[in-house]
Amino acid sequence: GEDVEQSLFLSVREGDSSVINCTYTDSSSTYLYWYKQEPGAGLQLLTYIFSNMDMKQDQRLTVLLNKKDKHLSLRIADTQTGDSAIYFCAESDYGGSQGNLIFGKGTKLSVKP
Amino acid sequence: NAGVMQNPRHLVRRRGQEARLRCSPMKGHSHVYWYRQLPEEGLKFMVYLQKENIIDESGMPKERFSAEFPKEGPSILRIQQVVRGDSAAYFCASSPPGGGLGYTFGSGTRLTVV
Repeated sequence: GEDVEQSLFLSVREGDSSVINCTYTDSSSTYLYWYKQEPGAGLQLLTYIFSNMDMKQDQRLTVLLNKKDKHLSLRIADTQTGDSAIYFCAESDYGGSQGNLIFGKGTKLSVKP
Repeated sequence: NAGVMQNPRHLVRRRGQEARLRCSPMKGHSHVYWYRQLPEEGLKFMVYLQKENIIDESGMPKERFSAEFPKEGPSILRIQQVVRGDSAAYFCASSPPGGGLGYTFGSGTRLTVV
């Protein structure tokens, strides 16, 4: 079945770059997403990428997609303590509103001052 | 424009009781999705509803769980005869009709079964 894998933990120092990696198995994935979850809160959509793109940049966030290897990464430049959260990778076949999202287990990012 | 509203935020139930979780989608959204997050896990899809219709319930346990989204009022996720394994965070998301990339999630209901 479809599966999304992420490393569980990442620790960085404030000001460094963070890179969170994700692999997925569904070759028909059309959209790939990164969500952020702060403690006790719901999920906030950070960014998304279409499968026909290989890179997307949005301020401090850079998403890289290697469709051949089914590998997705999220780079956060100049990481701040407020970036500490759990980051979820997710994929879907559609635009997210006609089907369900398949989530990874999340990567817990800890930012040390 | 309020976001997706879920209530209650926290719910404690004894084994065997019923749990009712409510979700009001964003204004203008007519698609509702329920997800469950077990401790240390990612979110797992449960059910996708539109007004008065269940579109996809492939992630719903076969017994004790049901969901509805009536013409008027919030969507309800109902768990009958709860067991300890039902303890989880339950998230609702909504999206507009005709599409929309990604969803808007609510803050979740954290169910604890004692």
